Amino acid sequence: DAGVIQSPRHEVTEMGQEVTLRCKPISGHDYLFWYRQTMMRGLELLIYFNNNVPIDDSGMPEDRFSAKMPNASFSTLKIQPSEPRDSAVYFCASREGGRSYNEQFFGPGTRLTVL
Amino acid sequence: AQKITQTQPGMFVQEKEAVTLDCTYDTSDPSYGLFWYKQPSSGEMIFLIYQGSYDQQNATEGRYSLNFQKARKSANLVISASQLGDSAMYFCAMRHPSGGTSYGKLTFGQGTILTVHP
Repeated sequence: DAGVIQSPRHEVTEMGQEVTLRCKPISGHDYLFWYRQTMMRGLELLIYFNNNVPIDDSGMPEDRFSAKMPNASFSTLKIQPSEPRDSAVYFCASREGGRSYNEQFFGPGTRLTVL
Repeated sequence: AQKITQTQPGMFVQEKEAVTLDCTYDTSDPSYGLFWYKQPSSGEMIFLIYQGSYDQQNATEGRYSLNFQKARKSANLVISASQLGDSAMYFCAMRHPSGGTSYGKLTFGQGTILTVHP
């Protein structure tokens, strides 16, 4: 069981550049979540999908952020253009549907630094 | 709106002793779930324990137990026999109630840093 896979693990980019973060959820999981973690704001949910359909994107900070899930095994979070305040650790998580007590399994995170 | 509060930014405990990490929540819905996650310095998020709002008994998982007091809206994590490897950030989270578009999403508290001294 490979768990949730995220790439890259670290990304350093300059302000104004496009950044794409990738996530492969655990096979068979119906839900996929994107979180952002910063010292100031803690762990925030950005968007989540159920069966590849975006359900709640109310946490997406602004139009510079977009997320897609073209199939059950892949999702991307894109920031364009990136800004220094986007520097954070971005986590992807997935969970099974059905049971209410199913926990979310987190990926290792992508540490993004925007200079 | 759901809200999770962890009032202890940091806690210290001696190895082999028990420690309680506080978590209070606010919701008007009778159906919800509460989770605890551990985040060591390496950064990954590790699921520890779950408590459902209708569960009759407090949840336990090995050295972890959840002191669930529904009337007080608290779900404190108790770690027994602390180990050096328990030093980490601990997050309490609440699952949004069923029936709405936000079902399944978690709202996290700000976290508590636990340091275990030898």
